[in-house]
Amino acid sequence: AQSVTQPDIHITVSEGASLELRCNYSYGATPYLFWYVQSPGQGLQLLLKYFSGDTLVQGIKGFEAEFKRSQSSFNLRKPSVHWSDAAEYFCAVGSTFSGGYNKLIFGAGTRLAVHP
Amino acid sequence: SQTIHQWPATLVQPVGSPLSLECTVEGTSNPNLYWYRQAAGRGLQLLFYSVGIGQISSEVPQNLSASRPQDRQFILSSKKLLLSDSGFYLCAWSVGTSGANEQFFGPGTRLTVL
Repeated sequence: AQSVTQPDIHITVSEGASLELRCNYSYGATPYLFWYVQSPGQGLQLLLKYFSGDTLVQGIKGFEAEFKRSQSSFNLRKPSVHWSDAAEYFCAVGSTFSGGYNKLIFGAGTRLAVHP
Repeated sequence: SQTIHQWPATLVQPVGSPLSLECTVEGTSNPNLYWYRQAAGRGLQLLFYSVGIGQISSEVPQNLSASRPQDRQFILSSKKLLLSDSGFYLCAWSVGTSGANEQFFGPGTRLTVL
């Protein structure tokens, strides 16, 4: 069965520091991978996605993620964190089901705090 | 452009009372619709999905039900709320069957059952 693991529940970084959020997945075929961000009390916003091609994916707000098949990972990175990046981040893997819909399986999330 | 609405934004209900949360999507036709619950400090749990009017599938057995009376309307209901129904409820939509298609989320409803 497909699954997504985000090993870090909470991460704290200083503003201006680099960031890497880890994501590992379990999936039998080539996965469709997503990163979403959720600000407090808000819905989820898509940061970026990977489904084929270049393994380094650029997203919005200066984020990027790298797909590494050998490590079953899709880590999210940002070279310099801003205070406004404080939020919860979710990694997800997408699947196609015979019922005619697409399904996302989410990790438990990583809560990012940014110190000034 | 497509937009997704959820209401109410916040709801406080007593145990045993009924529930109705509504989600509507604009700017797209025949979307797949989803209801998720996010408990405090936890990830997203898929509750229901729908690929068309009147077609509802449940991911987990529970105290809730869902209906899709119109193409772009998705309703989450309960006859009698439990304390464990508290949480943040998110509606989402997508199109097509490919797993590469992202889901787009609404702003959510914060439900507190007392």
